[in-house]
Amino acid sequence: GAGVSQSPSNKVTEKGKDVELRCDPISGHTALYWYRQSLGQGLEFLIYFQGNSAPDKSGLPSDRFSAERTGGSVSTLTIQRTQQEDSAVYLCASRQLQGRGNTEAFFGQGTRLTVV
Amino acid sequence: QKEVEQDPGPLSVPEGAIVSLNCTYSNSAFQYFMWYRQYSRKGPELLMYTYSSGNKEDGRFTAQVDKSSKYISLFIRDSQPSDSATYLCAMSRYNTDKLIFGTGTRLQVFP
Repeated sequence: GAGVSQSPSNKVTEKGKDVELRCDPISGHTALYWYRQSLGQGLEFLIYFQGNSAPDKSGLPSDRFSAERTGGSVSTLTIQRTQQEDSAVYLCASRQLQGRGNTEAFFGQGTRLTVV
Repeated sequence: QKEVEQDPGPLSVPEGAIVSLNCTYSNSAFQYFMWYRQYSRKGPELLMYTYSSGNKEDGRFTAQVDKSSKYISLFIRDSQPSDSATYLCAMSRYNTDKLIFGTGTRLQVFP
């Protein structure tokens, strides 16, 4: 596709339910990142994928959060037993890594999650 | 203490003003420095990128990095109402590393 696509764009869920957020990166981009942005806050790193493996998952806030990536493409972020503090915008970014140079990380529009 | 500190603003300036935005950081291992712009309800988009210390200019935008002081700046000349957005600094240790973001500074340019 032309850019990073995230779905759904908005999600309202009841406390205690599980949610799945999807990210379609730019075709050919090997690196994929998930971030969380709470109201008035910067972007909080969650997890980084290189291909299908996750060399850095240090930002996942609890074991209720998990993510996977299949076929080096689509990624799913799953939040189990959602809590109200999980309410935030979840942003995905992808990047084509080239040698030692820096390359731009392109962000999707985000999924706005509201837990009621 | 956060790794990257950024004044959240808001910063309100008249059209045509020079805007100065900045971030400080604590991790001396950071080598890649970026500025992102984020409009309301949109994802961030890259404005400027600098590797290590130095200045970089692109049109009305100038990015500066002072690694000795662990301080980076973004200057916007001849600011326009369309520049009204949140500006986020970001940095990483190496090109494959995660980006660490500041909290963002909200800028409003009024006509």
